[in-house]
Amino acid sequence: NAGVTQTPKFQVLKTGQSMTLQCAQDMNHEYMSWYRQDPGMGLRLIHYSVGAGITDQGEVPNGYNVSRSTTEDFPLRLLSAAPSQTSVYFCASSYSRYSHTEAFFGQGTRLTVV
Amino acid sequence: DAKTTQPTSMDCAEGRAANLPCNHSTISGNEYVYWYRQIHSQGPQYIIHGLKNNETNEMASLIITEDRKSSTLILPHATLRDTAVYYCITGGATNKLIFGTGTLLAVQP
Repeated sequence: NAGVTQTPKFQVLKTGQSMTLQCAQDMNHEYMSWYRQDPGMGLRLIHYSVGAGITDQGEVPNGYNVSRSTTEDFPLRLLSAAPSQTSVYFCASSYSRYSHTEAFFGQGTRLTVV
Repeated sequence: DAKTTQPTSMDCAEGRAANLPCNHSTISGNEYVYWYRQIHSQGPQYIIHGLKNNETNEMASLIITEDRKSSTLILPHATLRDTAVYYCITGGATNKLIFGTGTLLAVQP
C-alpha cells in the first residue's frame, strides 16, 4: 500500500512548454484533488474529482487541465507553462464525499518555470 | 478566502501541552472542523476532525466550543518533531479543503 504517489518530484520547465504531473493512489479512493502551494502560503485547490469521469474546478483552475479515466489516476496537465505556475503541487485522495475522514496527501512535485 | 482565523505563530516547550486556537465564527451547521499539519514542506498530514463533540485520537485532542465558533487543538506532550505548520479547516467534504496560512508551532527544547 503505497498511498498517494506523485511523479516527478522535481521538474524545471521553460515558459510555454507543456507537461503532465502524475498522481496515483492505491487505496480505491473516490475523491482526488490537486493543490498548489506558493512560498509562505497555504495550499490552494486547483481541480478535484469525485470519481472516474467526473472533475470540477477549484479555486485556481486557470492554466491547468485534469481528467479522471480511472479510479487510481488523476493527472494534472499544464498546457503552456508560465513563471506564475512555479509552485509546489500536491495531490490528495480520500474515501468519499459522504465520509468525513482524512485526506491523504502525496509528497509533492516541485515545479520551476523559467 | 479561508474561513478560519489562526495565530501566525506559537512557541511551546518540549514535553508541555501545545494548545492551538482557531476561530471559525461563520461555520455552518453541517460543516466539520479538520486539523492538518505540514512538516517542512512535506505533504499535509491529517490530525483529527470533529463536528460538535470533543474528539481524541492517538495524536491529539480537539475541543469545539458549544456554539461551534471556535476550537482548540491540543497536543498533550509536544516533541521537537511536532514543529510544523498547523492548519484549521472547516468544510463538508474532504476533497475541497480550503487552507488558510495556518499556525507555525515551534517546539523549543
